[in-house]
Amino acid sequence: DTEVTQTPKHLVMGMTNKKSLKCEQHMGHRAMYWYKQKAKKPPELMFVYSYEKLSINESVPSRFSPECPNSSLLNLHLHALQPEDSALYLCASSQEDLWLAKNIQYFGAGTRLSVL
Amino acid sequence: SQQGEEDPQALSIQEGENATMNCSYKTSINNLQWYRQNSGRGLVHLILIRSNEREKHSGRLRVTLDTSKKSSSLLITASRAADTASYFCATERYQKVTFGTGTKLQVIP
Repeated sequence: DTEVTQTPKHLVMGMTNKKSLKCEQHMGHRAMYWYKQKAKKPPELMFVYSYEKLSINESVPSRFSPECPNSSLLNLHLHALQPEDSALYLCASSQEDLWLAKNIQYFGAGTRLSVL
Repeated sequence: SQQGEEDPQALSIQEGENATMNCSYKTSINNLQWYRQNSGRGLVHLILIRSNEREKHSGRLRVTLDTSKKSSSLLITASRAADTASYFCATERYQKVTFGTGTKLQVIP
């Protein structure tokens, strides 16, 4: 099973709403990632969790709050978002192999978020 | 920004032709990877080349890496309509993956 599952596929929310994005993988990967991708742009790294601990936060605004409840699950809690936060949010996981310098990421299909 | 640059931004070729995309980056890296994305959905990993490697092949894909010039190229041979997608290079340094600007490839049947 090489699948990363993201829910929901689409989300529309108002600026005062609180919502959560969910990501799940059952490949035994110990690193999980959140990316943000605007239209016609490359994905931009937001957060990295390694062994369930936050290892990288790319100076993301606090209205985005990541959570890793266990090694298979990754959530992104959203609160008081702005219209410019509308984007495709991608989750990925990887089994990092530092010895072989390999870190292949497996991506979910993404959640397309619209903030009104 | 440490984002890599890719060229061309867009490429349109006939089925059966070869497609070449180039990637330049700015910092030292552990490895460089190429990913494909169809229609704004999830990315699919294509090939990885480590910083101490110069060339790698996988099926119809050939990747080169020149760390002295901080550049890489992806060659897709005998292209097919199904290869139509956006292609991104991605450099990795200590768990942080940075994607290039992407090349949009259209293969015309």
